[in-house]
Amino acid sequence: GAVVSQHPSRVICKSGTSVKIECRSLDFQATTMFWYRQFPKQSLMLMATSNEGSKATYEQGVEKDKFLINHASLTLSTLTVTSAHPEDSSFYICSANTGGDQETQYFGPGTRLLVL
Amino acid sequence: AQRVTQPEKLLSVFKGAPVELKCNYSYSGSPELFWYVQYSRQRLQLLLRHISRESIKGFTADLNKGETSFHLKKPFAQEEDSAMYYCALNQGGSEKLVFGKGTKLTVNP
Repeated sequence: GAVVSQHPSRVICKSGTSVKIECRSLDFQATTMFWYRQFPKQSLMLMATSNEGSKATYEQGVEKDKFLINHASLTLSTLTVTSAHPEDSSFYICSANTGGDQETQYFGPGTRLLVL
Repeated sequence: AQRVTQPEKLLSVFKGAPVELKCNYSYSGSPELFWYVQYSRQRLQLLLRHISRESIKGFTADLNKGETSFHLKKPFAQEEDSAMYYCALNQGGSEKLVFGKGTKLTVNP
């Protein structure tokens, strides 16, 4: 099946710094990628839809200036958590859509962010 | 608004017993329903989707529009089925998925 990678898998940063997370579709092109956030023992919450070549679409309650998304190519989307604070600590997961008749979302392994 | 409800946080069965993970949804249109599975220390992966009407790893799920349910079933659970299971809904025409809170299935030997 299709593979989606995320980098880094884990990051620890100081409060006030910015962190960039990369999401790549390794063997397919994805015009649409998604960014989710998952709190401990809770479900995935969609943060935003990342569209190649256009602005991301953010879900209600998600600050677009806080979580910057760039979908620069058909295989790469980045999420930058700007001026991170301890409450931003979470598990961030991306997914990419294969498109086509049997459209399927493939998920990355996730990135654990800890803001001190 | 669309919503997916998985009423059981935890479900524990013995090997060889039948298992049913419940999923109910609320959506006024024609949804597409999925089950995703996450094994320990692995990424989320698609288990099955209702439009395919297929059986994966012995699991089946039938969309019941009258009861707005999409329960996941397996007649004989195996220890390797132990995982987190998420039911998800995709509203027609959109690529966005709405997830339930998940059910942790434990199959005991």
